[in-house]
This record gives sequence, C-alpha cells and structure tokens, in this order.
Amino acid sequence: NAGVTQTPKFQVLKTGQSMTLQCAQDMNHEYMSWYRQDPGMGLRLIHYSVGAGITDQGEVPNGYNVSRSTTEDFPLRLLSAAPSQTSVYFCASSHSLGRYEQYFGPGTRLTVT
Amino acid sequence: AQKVTQAQTEISVVEKEDVTLDCVYETRDTTYYLFWYKQPPSGELVFLIRRNSFDEQNEISGRYSWNFQKSTSSFNFTITASQVVDSAVYFCALKEEGGSEKLVFGKGTKLTVNP
Repeated sequence: NAGVTQTPKFQVLKTGQSMTLQCAQDMNHEYMSWYRQDPGMGLRLIHYSVGAGITDQGEVPNGYNVSRSTTEDFPLRLLSAAPSQTSVYFCASSHSLGRYEQYFGPGTRLTVT
Repeated sequence: AQKVTQAQTEISVVEKEDVTLDCVYETRDTTYYLFWYKQPPSGELVFLIRRNSFDEQNEISGRYSWNFQKSTSSFNFTITASQVVDSAVYFCALKEEGGSEKLVFGKGTKLTVNP
C-alpha cells in the first residue's frame, strides 16, 4: 500500500495562475480532506468529502475547488492563485467518516509570487 | 460549533523533564472523538492517539500519557522524562459524531526539548 500520495511536493506559481494539487489513496477510505498549514494557524480544513460524488466546505474554502469522482482521488484546484494561498497543503484520508485515524500525505509546499 | 484550543503556543523544557500539553475542546455533541498528532521537524503528521467521548479512561503508552476529562472538556497529553526526539509540534483534534463531518484541529503546541 502506498497510503496517501500527494503531487507535486513543491510548486511555485505566479499570481493568477491556476493549478491542481493531486491526492490519491489506496486504502478504500471514504473520507478524504484537504488542510492548509500556516505558521501559528495550525491545520485548517479547506474541503472534505465523505464519499465519491460528495464534497463539502471546511473552514477556509474560498479560492479552492474540489471534486471526488472516485473513492481514490481527491484533487484540489486553485482557480486563480493569490499570495495568501502560499502554504503547505496536506491531504488526508480516513475510514468511518473520519472517526478514526487520519492518514496524511507528505504535503505540498506551495509558493505564490 | 466545534472548537479546539491549545493555549500553549510554545513550550521549552530540558531533557528528562515532564511536560504536559493542554487541549480544551468545545462541542454540543454527546458523541465525539478526540485525537493527538505529532509533527516532527521533518514535517509529516504522525497519529498518536484517538479517544471517543464514552471512554474516559486515561491511557499510557510508554512515556506518553493522556488525561481525558469530560467535566472540564480537556484532553491533555503528558510526556514523562522528555527526550530531544520529542521536539515537535503537537496537535489536538476533534471530530463530532452528529452534524458536521469536519475534523477540526487546534493551532498546535511547539515543544522544544533541549539537551
């Protein structure tokens, strides 16, 4: 099992560019989520999904889109990157709707200039 | 709305000292789940423990112990005889059973253990 994989590991964008952060898991978890981590702010939930075809907003959803067409994949789209989106992004998955341990990916460090 | 507060932003101790990291939570649910995660300097997030709201037994795992008290809405984490390898950011998190399916994290406590 690869667990939770994220690509890319590092990315630099210019303001206004769009991109997709990829996240995949091979554990058949129905619950997947995206967090951003900023200094002093902890982990803040961006979007989450309780199954294929079902997504919902977290605490800081503005500027991000998600979709969940399969159980395995949960991509995060930045529509028009802004410097405020410079952060480290973590994808996570869990079974039983998040009632159990979250398995985190290694993170993507994004810089928007 | 659910909320997790880790009031200690940073703690610095000397090796072999005991240290307690505080976590206070807010929820209206009677069924919920609490977690602790560790983030060492390498950046990955490591699961430490999970507790459901019906299990108030304290837990000990080696040098780590957790004190769950519903009466004070706290889920504190103690490291006994701290070691340099314990240096990390520690996060407490809360998942409610009903309503929102969100898992919410506290802002974390950065622990530095000095030799």
